[in-house]
Amino acid sequence: EIVMTQSPATLSVSPGERATLSCRASQSVSSNLAWYQQKPGQAPRLLIYGASTRATGIPARFSGSGSGTEFTLTISSLQSEDFAVYYCQQYNNWPRRTFGQGTKVEIK
Amino acid sequence: EVQLVESGGGLVKPGGSLRLSCAASGFTFSSYSMNWVRQAPGKGLEWVSSISSSSSYIYYADSVKGRFTISRDNAKNSLYLQMNSLRAEDTAVYYCARGPPVGLFDYWGQGTLVTVSS
Repeated sequence: EIVMTQSPATLSVSPGERATLSCRASQSVSSNLAWYQQKPGQAPRLLIYGASTRATGIPARFSGSGSGTEFTLTISSLQSEDFAVYYCQQYNNWPRRTFGQGTKVEIK
Repeated sequence: EVQLVESGGGLVKPGGSLRLSCAASGFTFSSYSMNWVRQAPGKGLEWVSSISSSSSYIYYADSVKGRFTISRDNAKNSLYLQMNSLRAEDTAVYYCARGPPVGLFDYWGQGTLVTVSS
């Protein structure tokens, strides 16, 4: 099983500031990495796939980068609606896709 | 608009059974693989099971293999998860999620809560 490790567990950021979230895979997943956003009481929403491609309707302030074992999700200027939990997910080892434990982005 | 609506969750005793359903609309259901993903209370996401568009390929996480059965009815645009021999650790919100070929989950339902407790 490929283990996905996200850091930090919690990120405190002021509105308008940049947020940088990290995700590390226990072995290479190439660019087969997705990011999801989950707000309280809601289902996850796909943000990024292929490590860097924004899903339909996702604002340009969200960007992804990385390949192999190291990945980053950047939110360039945090809006109030961006405070949520973010998960990375590898789909290189299909069908046994695995998620990171999540990073909570909270208001500073 | 893609819509996935789960139902069938509830409270069940350990060792009991439950059948979840997911009604799909807004896309050609028979063209997509479908998945179940769960989330224990306050925890992260765990892939549970996948079924290909024609039901030819079916996969399970080791944690549920032999106890859960995924199926689909393309004529009814519906996905199912039969859960037997339920354990306390199966307590979670179960999400139905659409799966494009590459293996990610591009649309999710709102989830249905399964609680296994005596």
